[in-house]
Amino acid sequence: KNQVEQSPQSLIILEGKNCTLQCNYTVSPFSNLRWYKQDTGRGPVSLTIMTFSENTKSNGRYTATLDADTKQSSLHITASQLSDSASYICVVRNFGNEKLTFGTGTRLTIIP
Amino acid sequence: EPEVTQTPSHQVTQMGQEVILRCVPISNHLYFYWYRQILGQKVEFLVSFYNNEISEKSEIFDDQFSVERPDGSNFTLKIRSTKLEDSAMYFCASRWTQNHEQYFGPGTRLTVT
Repeated sequence: KNQVEQSPQSLIILEGKNCTLQCNYTVSPFSNLRWYKQDTGRGPVSLTIMTFSENTKSNGRYTATLDADTKQSSLHITASQLSDSASYICVVRNFGNEKLTFGTGTRLTIIP
Repeated sequence: EPEVTQTPSHQVTQMGQEVILRCVPISNHLYFYWYRQILGQKVEFLVSFYNNEISEKSEIFDDQFSVERPDGSNFTLKIRSTKLEDSAMYFCASRWTQNHEQYFGPGTRLTVT
């Protein structure tokens, strides 16, 4: 069964600090992996998307990594800001179909 | 910047009633999707729609659900006889081609009482 697991479930850090969120998946066959940011009561917004051959992708202060062999990904946030407070969701797409498998997300809270 | 819009933002309905959730995808997009998120749980795929027909659906998308693109702009999700467990956020998404990113709408919160 396709699954996406994320850790930690929640995280609280001080403004300005860095953090790393983890994602493990069992989706097969694999097409791509995305990280989304979801503010409370809003739709997910794409941060990065990586295919099988990509190891690292950056989007401003967000850097995602992918190890397709171990089926692990991480999202690193540098110099966190209060506006980074949100849920971060790891999403994996199957090769050959439209289905996206969503993780349960990591709830990140940045405190001043 | 173009965006996906959804109406209403919040819908309250009684069990057994029919509801229609509306979405206006980004204008040149060709692929359309509905997802739901039960409070505190993860987002779940419901259905994808392309070329005026359903291209894929999940096991959640049973006979009480239907989708329609009645004109060139709207994309609707109908729930024929709502149940308490249908209470959730429903997100619409669209994309231009399969190689492009999906853009999500802000969601409709459905509350079934």
